[in-house]
Amino acid sequence: SQTIHQWPATLVQPVGSPLSLECTVEGTSNPNLYWYRQAAGRGLQLLFYSVGIGQISSEVPQNLSASRPQDRQFILSSKKLLLSDSGFYLCAWSPRAGGSGELFFGEGSRLTVL
Amino acid sequence: AQRVTQPEKLLSVFKGAPVELKCNYSYSGSPELFWYVQYSRQRLQLLLRHISRESIKGFTADLNKGETSFHLKKPFAQEEDSAMYYCALSGYSGNTPLVFGKGTRLSVIA
Repeated sequence: SQTIHQWPATLVQPVGSPLSLECTVEGTSNPNLYWYRQAAGRGLQLLFYSVGIGQISSEVPQNLSASRPQDRQFILSSKKLLLSDSGFYLCAWSPRAGGSGELFFGEGSRLTVL
Repeated sequence: AQRVTQPEKLLSVFKGAPVELKCNYSYSGSPELFWYVQYSRQRLQLLLRHISRESIKGFTADLNKGETSFHLKKPFAQEEDSAMYYCALSGYSGNTPLVFGKGTRLSVIA
């Protein structure tokens, strides 16, 4: 069966520090991968999605970036965090072909920027 | 552009009362509509999708293209229904990213 893992689960970082959140999917090949941010009062905001290695689409211009170095690995990064980057980050995957549109979410990473 | 609107941030109902979580959407093509739920300390997960026309945990949702709505309903709320509910939309192919609403927190009071 397919599983998705995110880490770290919790992160407290000072303003201006770098960020790296990692997401890995197991049990499937060629998944579509997504990063969402869940912030209070703003719901779920799509940040990035990827349909293949090295293929990244950005939905919201900001100081975050994403990379997909391997088929089942998706990384969210920042060189310098802002206070406004605080939130709950969710990684998700969906089948490349034959999918119904359903997304499968990870457990999330809570980022607090101080 | 795709947009999903959930007008209520918080909905409180008494146990046994009917529940309706509202969702309206904006999309130029034929949408795929979904309801996702996040229970306390659990992952966000799919509750139901409009193409399945199924009832999950007593919840149903009907796509009304005329009113561009996809409201989630349950005739008798249970305490375990307390959770965060998100309405989501995707393009018909199912291969476009899901766009989510801001969510509605349902609180069922005993």
